[in-house]
Amino acid sequence: GNSVTQMEGPVTLSEEAFLTINCTYTATGYPSLFWYVQYPGEGLQLLLKATKADDKGSNKGFEATYRKETTSFHLEKGSVQVSDSAVYFCALINGGFKTIFGAGTRLFVKA
Amino acid sequence: NAGVTQTPKFQVLKTGQSMTLQCAQDMNHNSMYWYRQDPGMGLRLIYYSASEGTTDKGEVPNGYNVSRLNKREFSLRLESAAPSQTSVYFCASSEADRGQGGNEQFFGPGTRLTVL
Repeated sequence: GNSVTQMEGPVTLSEEAFLTINCTYTATGYPSLFWYVQYPGEGLQLLLKATKADDKGSNKGFEATYRKETTSFHLEKGSVQVSDSAVYFCALINGGFKTIFGAGTRLFVKA
Repeated sequence: NAGVTQTPKFQVLKTGQSMTLQCAQDMNHNSMYWYRQDPGMGLRLIYYSASEGTTDKGEVPNGYNVSRLNKREFSLRLESAAPSQTSVYFCASSEADRGQGGNEQFFGPGTRLTVL
């Protein structure tokens, strides 16, 4: 079946540090891949997406590249800010409309 | 354009009580979803509605019922609440996939439910 595995948190970084949150997936065929972000007390919102192999999704300084060969979609940001503190969810859609979410990774950024 | 709205924002119930969580979207989306979010468990799909007039079970449907009232509204009912249903509940919606590789979901702000 389809599944998403992401690194356990929490991840704690200092402001301006480099961020990587690992995400790998299991799926047949060619799923679409997503990163969602959840700020405290809010619902999830889309951060970025990629729909085919080698695509790079980017938004607000965050990037992720769809790697078919390693079934990965790692989230990166070159310089995090305190305002990036949130929970990040990796997700996929494979041949339908239902989204499969990872367990989420909480990020804390210290000033 | 309010997006996805949910009511109530907070609710406390006693074991055995019933209640309905309301959800509405103004984006003309075909598909709607109910999730629960528990610490350390991410999001789990309770029920979904692919289109108006249809509903299907998700991963954790026991203890819940849903109604797709019309294209805009999708409600979740707890007939006899249990402490295990203490959670944060999110409603979401998405457009129908037109072969573009899957569409993002838009989430409401959530309902925080405590069952004593």
